[in-house]
Amino acid sequence: EPEVTQTPSHQVTQMGQEVILRCVPISNHLYFYWYRQILGQKVEFLVSFYNNEISEKSEIFDDQFSVERPDGSNFTLKIRSTKLEDSAMYFCASSEAETQYFGPGTRLLVL
Amino acid sequence: GNSVTQMEGPVTLSEEAFLTINCTYTATGYPSLFWYVQYPGEGLQLLLKATKADDKGSNKGFEATYRKETTSFHLEKGSVQVSDSAVYFCALRVGTSGSRLTFGEGTQLTVNP
Repeated sequence: EPEVTQTPSHQVTQMGQEVILRCVPISNHLYFYWYRQILGQKVEFLVSFYNNEISEKSEIFDDQFSVERPDGSNFTLKIRSTKLEDSAMYFCASSEAETQYFGPGTRLLVL
Repeated sequence: GNSVTQMEGPVTLSEEAFLTINCTYTATGYPSLFWYVQYPGEGLQLLLKATKADDKGSNKGFEATYRKETTSFHLEKGSVQVSDSAVYFCALRVGTSGSRLTFGEGTQLTVNP
């Protein structure tokens, strides 16, 4: 069964550094998403992407964040200058229509 | 705005007990409703969904009915197993394909043998 994959599974970085989180969505899906879950809190929507552009973003998704689909398979989330409060589990998801399928997540720790 | 509220957790049950996890929502428009499950060390998996009022979603012995009059989507299972131990998330989506999911807090379920 096709699945969404994410790399790395864990990332530790220093405050102020740039990180890129990578996702490979399910191949025939058209919609791509990033969510995050800070420890002990709700899963929060960050951004959705369709037809090579952002279709919706939350108030969390400020200028420090960007997304890109650099080729036909990868979907990336970049955080330009990480803050302590960016420490969270980041989930990528994709959908063909209504149902979103999630990857296993990348646990980001900012020190 | 849209929001989802789940019953406070964690929930601990013995094997074969009856499970209910409450979920209520507030939404502008007519949402689709979902239950996702997260097993230890894994990502979120869709458990079941319902897209309109009075629809019942079901999967793996779990059921939930979309109740518009009470704005609820409670998850039930008649007889839980140890393997059902996981975190359960209620979520809603308003709008067309590509719209965001709004999640509840998640409920940790532990089933003891």
